[in-house]
Amino acid sequence: EVQLVESGGGLVQPGGSLRLSCAASGFTFSDHYMDWVRQAPGKGLEWVGRSRNKTKSYTTDYAASVKGRFTISRDNSKNSLYLQMNSLKTEDTAVYYCARSPTRDYWGQGTLVTVSS
Amino acid sequence: QSVLTQPPSASGTPGQRVTISCSGSSSNIGSNNVNWYQQFPGTAPKLLIYTNNQRPSGVPDRFSGSKSGTSASLAISGLQSEDEADYHCAAWDDSLNGVLFGGGTKLTVL
Repeated sequence: EVQLVESGGGLVQPGGSLRLSCAASGFTFSDHYMDWVRQAPGKGLEWVGRSRNKTKSYTTDYAASVKGRFTISRDNSKNSLYLQMNSLKTEDTAVYYCARSPTRDYWGQGTLVTVSS
Repeated sequence: QSVLTQPPSASGTPGQRVTISCSGSSSNIGSNNVNWYQQFPGTAPKLLIYTNNQRPSGVPDRFSGSKSGTSASLAISGLQSEDEADYHCAAWDDSLNGVLFGGGTKLTVL
């Protein structure tokens, strides 16, 4: 059974940093693209970024809104995906989901990040 | 601001057929596949339709997707009360080099 479990969310002050994790199981992690998607309170879904698979050398892409501040990485030995978030802004407040890509056929339960002073 | 445009709301009565539109451009829907997601309050989205018109295993055939040019549609036939949810479309955008989501459509079953 495919499972994705996010962790690492919490309250952080503007300008601060946070690292989210996504633990994957039930599939060959290195074979798959993985996305981070976020949802601000009461708003729609927003794609944050992507980590491609081994075939594509694990290259990454980012939304313009987070490029230069967020970094996606993965540890295939731990079947884990990470999202390092720096220089956080209040508008980054959202539930962050990891999803198996490119169709996003499986999603984690999400982890809430609140950026507030 | 979403570049894929969905109506913010839609509604129908039980048994009715409802369609939700998703409008884009040549750099996204016009040249890439569209996926649709269903989301209930407080829960993660669920893949409903992939590659424009394909249903994952377990998704009832009441749900169907289509694409024409730079627009896509999700149709729900035989509407049921449990279909009341938010629906989101998504597609890769070649110009932005990223995924775009629509703003989401809240479906109400009257």
